[in-house]
Amino acid sequence: NAGVMQNPRHLVRRRGQEARLRCSPMKGHSHVYWYRQLPEEGLKFMVYLQKENIIDESGMPKERFSAEFPKEGPSILRIQQVVRGDSAAYFCASSRPNQPQHFGDGTRLSIL
Amino acid sequence: GQQLNQSPQSMFIQEGEDVSMNCTSSSIFNTWLWYKQDPGEGPVLLIALYKAGELTSNGRLTAQFGITRKDSFLNISASIPSDVGIYFCAGGSGAGSYQLTFGKGTKLSVIP
Repeated sequence: NAGVMQNPRHLVRRRGQEARLRCSPMKGHSHVYWYRQLPEEGLKFMVYLQKENIIDESGMPKERFSAEFPKEGPSILRIQQVVRGDSAAYFCASSRPNQPQHFGDGTRLSIL
Repeated sequence: GQQLNQSPQSMFIQEGEDVSMNCTSSSIFNTWLWYKQDPGEGPVLLIALYKAGELTSNGRLTAQFGITRKDSFLNISASIPSDVGIYFCAGGSGAGSYQLTFGKGTKLSVIP
């Protein structure tokens, strides 16, 4: 009964590179959410997706950030041309419709 | 945007003592959830509340959804060392309450 799986757990990138973060939802969950957490802070909502659809991306920066949840395979959060300020922990959550969200253990992104 | 004020920021208690923490907001939320986060891990759902005034227990944990839908509290009875961690409240908004707004957390330390 695997939970939400995120990989990699840690990712180091140099400024200007691309970061790709993956999330496999819990079995039976069709809704995926991405959050960002800075040190000593709570999680901040970024985007909500269902299979092949972005439902709400109001929390995601307009440039360089994109997310997808294809029909097959994990959800991907993609950050292009990373900058130092992108350093954070990125958490994925999944749920059944109208049910509580369950979180993965996150990807810690460090930008050199 | 919506904000949650979570208090206290941190607490030091003796093992066996009861703990109380709360969240308040100027905004109304459809749901309130309480999560616990250990270092290096993702938030784990403790209790989900769906109705104003609802009081729900999960073992030694009890949480209530405020009648105004703008606040919630979490109580932990007879604390034990493994209760150590950061406790986050989250308010749900949007259709299906998918968009969670998190507080900044209450860091709990238990002295054996």
